[in-house]
Amino acid sequence: ILNVEQSPQSLHVQEGDSTNFTCSFPSSNFYALHWYRWETAKSPEALFVMTLNGDEKKKGRISATLNTKEGYSYLYIKGSQPEDSATYLCASAGSSNTGKLIFGQGTTLQVKP
Amino acid sequence: GAGVSQSPRYKVAKRGQDVALRCDPISGHVSLFWYQQALGQGPEFLTYFQNEAQLDKSGLPSDRFFAERPEGSVSTLKIQRTQQEDSAVYLCASSPLGAGGQETQYFGPGTRLLVL
Repeated sequence: ILNVEQSPQSLHVQEGDSTNFTCSFPSSNFYALHWYRWETAKSPEALFVMTLNGDEKKKGRISATLNTKEGYSYLYIKGSQPEDSATYLCASAGSSNTGKLIFGQGTTLQVKP
Repeated sequence: GAGVSQSPRYKVAKRGQDVALRCDPISGHVSLFWYQQALGQGPEFLTYFQNEAQLDKSGLPSDRFFAERPEGSVSTLKIQRTQQEDSAVYLCASSPLGAGGQETQYFGPGTRLLVL
């Protein structure tokens, strides 16, 4: 059974601060790691799908890195804005051909103007 | 284009009542997933369809939960004799191919179910 953990559970930062949070997952049988952003009352939005050790992906001010050998991924937000306030979820996809995702509990980010 | 839609967005049910939750995936998407998110937890997998075939239902918590996708597009998750512990957000996601875990899943906004 996969166990995906995220930390911290919640984070409050000031506008303009840069921040990062962690997703850890079992490194054995790694297949893919997904990051989502989920704003209140909206659909979870896909940010990244990461598959290779050492992968770095970027989307605007948000970037992510992946270490499959030690089983962790970092998500970075540079110069946080109030519109970045959301819950950030990571999920590990096992090697099952169904593609089902095992999610962490999420990190809730609140950016104060 | 249109994303994944779910209805109703909110549902209040009395304990013991049957409910049906609908998911309209992105047109043409082969794969469809249902997840359940309890308060304070991450989403948990319930079931997976590839077209009309239900290939994995290992996450359904009890035989009161039933899902179908008869024509390979719209899906319905039915919960019979609802219990308070069924209160959760039910998320539907679709992906274009049956390509497994490296494929992006596109989520709907969820149905928030409250069982009183």
